[in-house]
Amino acid sequence: EVQLVQSGAEVKKPGESLRISCKGSGYSFTSYWISWVRQMPGKGLEWMGRIDPSDSHTNYSPSYEGHVTTSTDKSISTAYLQWSSLEASDTAVYYCARHPGAGRQFDYWGQGTLVTVSS
Amino acid sequence: DIQMTQSPSSLSASVGDRVTITCRASHDITNCLAWYQQKPGKVPELLIYAASTLQSGVPSRFSGSGSGIDFTLTISSLQPEDVATYYCQKYDSAPLTFGGGTKVEIK
Repeated sequence: EVQLVQSGAEVKKPGESLRISCKGSGYSFTSYWISWVRQMPGKGLEWMGRIDPSDSHTNYSPSYEGHVTTSTDKSISTAYLQWSSLEASDTAVYYCARHPGAGRQFDYWGQGTLVTVSS
Repeated sequence: DIQMTQSPSSLSASVGDRVTITCRASHDITNCLAWYQQKPGKVPELLIYAASTLQSGVPSRFSGSGSGIDFTLTISSLQPEDVATYYCQKYDSAPLTFGGGTKVEIK
């Protein structure tokens, strides 16, 4: 069974750093890209960026380039999304999703990680 | 960047009604379009990809059509369990933009 299991909810202060994770199982981790999607409270879905676990090639939305970084650890089939300095506007649910190619549909999604940034 | 415009932003229909949601791309995306369903408080799920291919397990009352710029998601007979927000997404090239969403409710 294909699963993407994300790390738990986080509460952080502005300016703090954070890394959340997404662990894939039930499939060949390096055969599928991982994308990250943000959903602010009560709002729609926003694509942030993607990574190819086979070679760590990344693409980012212009809205997020320079503010977040995605990476993977193939040895443990895990993708990461990290911030070096959080802002209150980063409060959102973050989803990882896999897709069978750079330009393909998202066929499995993680359960989401709620990140709350508040002073 | 290519923009994805969905309409309407919300709709209310009766059980059994035919429901149509449209998605327009600002430039040609061939058939590189997916539709997702997000039920309240749940994770988005893939309904349709390549504009018209039904994802395995999705009820046949859902269908998609279109190519190029204009796309449509149709629910042939609305059911109570279809209450959700529906999103289109282009995936031909980065950024993989989502539409703004269409919230579907039961009248």
